[in-house]
Amino acid sequence: KQEVTQIPAALSVPEGENLVLNCSFTDSAIYNLQWFRQDPGKGLTSLLLIQSSQREQTSGRLNASLDKSSGRSTLYIAASQPGDSATYLCAVLNTGRRALTFGSGTRLQVQP
Amino acid sequence: GAVVSQHPSWVICKSGTSVKIECRSLDFQATTMFWYRQFPKQSLMLMATSNEGSKATYEQGVEKDKFLINHASLTLSTLTVTSAHPEDSSFYICSASPPRDRAYGYTFGSGTRLTVV
Repeated sequence: KQEVTQIPAALSVPEGENLVLNCSFTDSAIYNLQWFRQDPGKGLTSLLLIQSSQREQTSGRLNASLDKSSGRSTLYIAASQPGDSATYLCAVLNTGRRALTFGSGTRLQVQP
Repeated sequence: GAVVSQHPSWVICKSGTSVKIECRSLDFQATTMFWYRQFPKQSLMLMATSNEGSKATYEQGVEKDKFLINHASLTLSTLTVTSAHPEDSSFYICSASPPRDRAYGYTFGSGTRLTVV
């Protein structure tokens, strides 16, 4: 059974810092990995999708990497802003399954 | 593209009543939709997979008679919480993926906050 772990569970940084969020998964037979953002009481916004054959994806100040063999992904946020404050969720889609498996999330607070 | 609309965004109901939550794919047809439940400060837990034109597939431990799922069209899935009790209070989120191409990932609704009093 796939298990997804995210470290740290919470993070507070001053504005302008570069930061890294970590995601690890136990079953490397994945189809893709997706990073989401969730604001309090809201749904999920997709940030980046990495296919199993890819090593990384970039969107603006966000960069996500994938090392399938070691079961790890990182989300890099450059020059953090207070508006980046949210919970970041990592989710994997295993081959042969249709539903995502989510990590427990990292709650990020960027201090102005 | 790939927008999922979920209604209502919040609902308060009395214990013992039933509540229906709708999940619509606005610009694509979704043969499969997913229903998740999220407790405060916890991650999303898959409840069931909704299949258009057939019965839903429930995860272990989810009561199918309490959480009724209907996926009668390619753009609409509904989750009905029957005889709701305070312990059913939670945040419910649906998701869908455009068929034929999981390469675009999954899209989520805005969620429904259910409070049973």
